[in-house]
Amino acid sequence: GQNIDQPTEMTATEGAIVQINCTYQTSGFNGLFWYQQHAGEAPTFLSYNVLDGLEEKGRFSSFLSRSKGYSYLLLKELQMKDSASYLCAVQDSNYQLIWGAGTKLIIKP
Amino acid sequence: IAGITQAPTSQILAAGRRMTLRCTQDMRHNAMYWYRQDLGLGLRLIHYSNTAGTTGKGEVPDGYSVSRANTDDFPLTLASAVPSQTSVYFCASSDSAGEGGEQFFGPGTRLTVL
Repeated sequence: GQNIDQPTEMTATEGAIVQINCTYQTSGFNGLFWYQQHAGEAPTFLSYNVLDGLEEKGRFSSFLSRSKGYSYLLLKELQMKDSASYLCAVQDSNYQLIWGAGTKLIIKP
Repeated sequence: IAGITQAPTSQILAAGRRMTLRCTQDMRHNAMYWYRQDLGLGLRLIHYSNTAGTTGKGEVPDGYSVSRANTDDFPLTLASAVPSQTSVYFCASSDSAGEGGEQFFGPGTRLTVL
């Protein structure tokens, strides 16, 4: 079957760095997405990786290793507004997104 | 309108009733999707449409139907609602149904079936 695993919840301190991991087993692979979702709101796009390596976008970076079925989202210089759920999703062989359950990130002052 | 809109924002529905959730996008995106989001689970795809006039079944299609008469609108119908359909429903669209197609989400509809 298809499976996306990510931690349920993480806590970090304002100004620090946090890494959110995602492992996947899917039927085919056409890229991996990270989305941010604030409580009660819609998911919004953060990043897309289809090749191995690190993609940097401001305070956020996303890494992919296809051979290991592994990705992480790195958030630097954490701000209180970064408190949200972070969703990992893999685009499978049918180009459909398979979603993880999300990681709730709690930022403490 | 800018982006994707959904209506209603929330709804309480008696079991057995018929309900249509509306979704409209103004980005001229080819592909549209309906997901449900339940606590502790990832978003699950209900139905999708890669282009106007075509639809397909996702992971959890039972009890739901969709139509795509034009590019902008993608309504989701619950023919006879059941309590297990209590969920938050998100409509999304993407310019491309292929590789790397970023999906844009509507604000969601919170549905409670009693």
